[in-house]
Amino acid sequence: QKEVEQNSGPLSVPEGAIASLNCTYSDRVSQSFFWYRQYSGKSPELIMSIYSNGDKEDGRFTAQLNKASQYVSLLIRDSQPSDSATYLCAVTKGTSGTYKYIFGTGTRLKVLA
Amino acid sequence: SAVISQKPSRDICQRGTSLTIQCQVDSQVTMMFWYRQQPGQSLTLIATANQGSEATYESGFVIDKFPISRPNLTFSTLTVSNMSPEDSSIYLCSVTGFGEQYFGPGTRLTVT
Repeated sequence: QKEVEQNSGPLSVPEGAIASLNCTYSDRVSQSFFWYRQYSGKSPELIMSIYSNGDKEDGRFTAQLNKASQYVSLLIRDSQPSDSATYLCAVTKGTSGTYKYIFGTGTRLKVLA
Repeated sequence: SAVISQKPSRDICQRGTSLTIQCQVDSQVTMMFWYRQQPGQSLTLIATANQGSEATYESGFVIDKFPISRPNLTFSTLTVSNMSPEDSSIYLCSVTGFGEQYFGPGTRLTVT
């Protein structure tokens, strides 16, 4: 079992729709969760972090965390063609001061104009 | 967030040679990491660069192949030694700050 799993996609949604990206992780003691966006040929860019159960909203983005189910998701409202990118889920592993980030393989999102 | 720069941004190297990649951060950071991202793949952690001590390597990566230096809290280098075409990849430096991780622009390496 991979430590962080994502559906590779591509996930295609029409412009203006809600895109829903999902991620599961295997380590129950993970404490910090992140979503990165990576455009082709560019480095990953942090778009959301979430640390406690529930929802966290930032503009058009909402991250959702359910530690009991070991599940984290990212919702993108009013999707735009500029949102077309690969979205990487990351989870921390280890203890403070020695932790590292484990990345999923990413989900490719295509927003159709 | 920290501003991270890497040099070179890209290079084409012959097999058997070595390339040193530099990573510079505009502020002092505790943790620095080196990743590799092969074409169409996700990020693979090579090692954690520790200031003043040897780097901590992940399974499958060894110091002889990927020596790392970290002389201070703002700078690190990664050397890719005795390169082969399988080393063609993007190499990324990253740092953590306030519990979040940020990436440099990457170095695109092609080995011929």
